[in-house]
Amino acid sequence: AQSVTQLDSHVSVSEGTPVLLRCNYSSSYSPSLFWYVQHPNKGLQLLLKYTSAATLVKGINGFEAEFKKSETSFHLTKPSAHMSDAAEYFCVVSEWPGTYKYIFGTGTRLKVLA
Amino acid sequence: NAGVTQTPKFQVLKTGQSMTLQCAQDMNHEYMSWYRQDPGMGLRLIHYSVGAGITDQGEVPNGYNVSRSTTEDFPLRLLSAAPSQTSVYFCASSYTLAGGVDTQYFGPGTRLTVL
Repeated sequence: AQSVTQLDSHVSVSEGTPVLLRCNYSSSYSPSLFWYVQHPNKGLQLLLKYTSAATLVKGINGFEAEFKKSETSFHLTKPSAHMSDAAEYFCVVSEWPGTYKYIFGTGTRLKVLA
Repeated sequence: NAGVTQTPKFQVLKTGQSMTLQCAQDMNHEYMSWYRQDPGMGLRLIHYSVGAGITDQGEVPNGYNVSRSTTEDFPLRLLSAAPSQTSVYFCASSYTLAGGVDTQYFGPGTRLTVL
């Protein structure tokens, strides 16, 4: 069975410093992994996805994530935080092929301090 | 392209009332899904569909019904609303690829309160 664990429910960083949001996954097969962002009172927007191509995935707004099979991790990073990055971030796993289900992590709320 | 649209944006119901949340997409996606979002729990899958006439249950299907008569529309019905169904509901759609779900596009959500 597939599952995903976001290791931090809240992360605070200062503007201009690096961001690290941690995600571990469990999957019996080859997973697809996604990071979505949700700004307050908004819908969800895709940041990036991994689907068994390059293990280092670049997304929008300067975010990237690295798929590490040996560590079953898919951590999200950004070199320099901006005030507009303050939002909730969700790590998602979907087993490929065979299921039509996304499994969401419980989310990490990122706060960016001026 | 409107993408994924949901109506209404807000709804207040009394316990025992029924209602339908509407979802439509104009991207010709085969896959559509409904999630509920509760604080600290992420999004949980209620029901999904891989094409017109085909639906299946997700993690939390109890108290909800769906049908898919067209590619574009995927309504979610609450049969007899309960306070535990107070939540924010999101609809999403995507292409299916080789038995899996590709990137999902989400609607803006419906905030439902059941008194």
